[in-house]
Amino acid sequence: GDSVTQTEGLVTLTKGLPVMLNCTYQTTYSPFLFWYVQHLNEAPKLLLKSSTDNKRTEHQGFYATLHKSSSSFHLQKSSVQLSDSALYFCALSGNNYAQGLTFGLGTRVSVFP
Amino acid sequence: EAAVTQSPRNKVTVTGGNVTLSCRQTNSHNYMYWYRQDTGHGLRLIHYSYGAGNLQIGDVPDGYKATRTTQEDFFLLLELASPSQTSLYFCASSEDGDTQYFGPGTRLLVL
Repeated sequence: GDSVTQTEGLVTLTKGLPVMLNCTYQTTYSPFLFWYVQHLNEAPKLLLKSSTDNKRTEHQGFYATLHKSSSSFHLQKSSVQLSDSALYFCALSGNNYAQGLTFGLGTRVSVFP
Repeated sequence: EAAVTQSPRNKVTVTGGNVTLSCRQTNSHNYMYWYRQDTGHGLRLIHYSYGAGNLQIGDVPDGYKATRTTQEDFFLLLELASPSQTSLYFCASSEDGDTQYFGPGTRLLVL
């Protein structure tokens, strides 16, 4: 079946530094990848999505590029803010996106002053 | 932005108890989903629905039933609750199965 791997459970960094969160996936179908962000005691919200190979997608200062050759969809930001502290999920829709998403375990980002 | 509401927001029950979690979306989305969120497991799909009267099994359906009574309303039923079902439950809706909009979640504690 489909699977998503996020290698970092926790990332701690100082405000203003860059960040990259890793996401790799496995599916036998044409993938549609998503990044969701969940702030403390809130619902997950869509941050980015892509199904186009080698095209960078951006939103709110975050960006990611789907690379089908390496099955990756890493999330990056050039300068993190305190408000970026949150839980970030990578998610995959493989076979049929209407059948729900397969989520990674999530990466918690903590940004310090 | 799509509006998804859940009730109750918090629930405590005992082992063997009967629990119903409610979800309503007001955007006439076709697709609705129930997920549970647990530390170390991320979000896992329990059941989903394509429309009123339709029900599909997700990845972790054991111990759960669901009903989609209308386009707006999707319920998750735990008829014999167990401590392993203590979790944070999210409902989500989607117009076409693409972007999903999540509700605020329900915290369930089974003693």
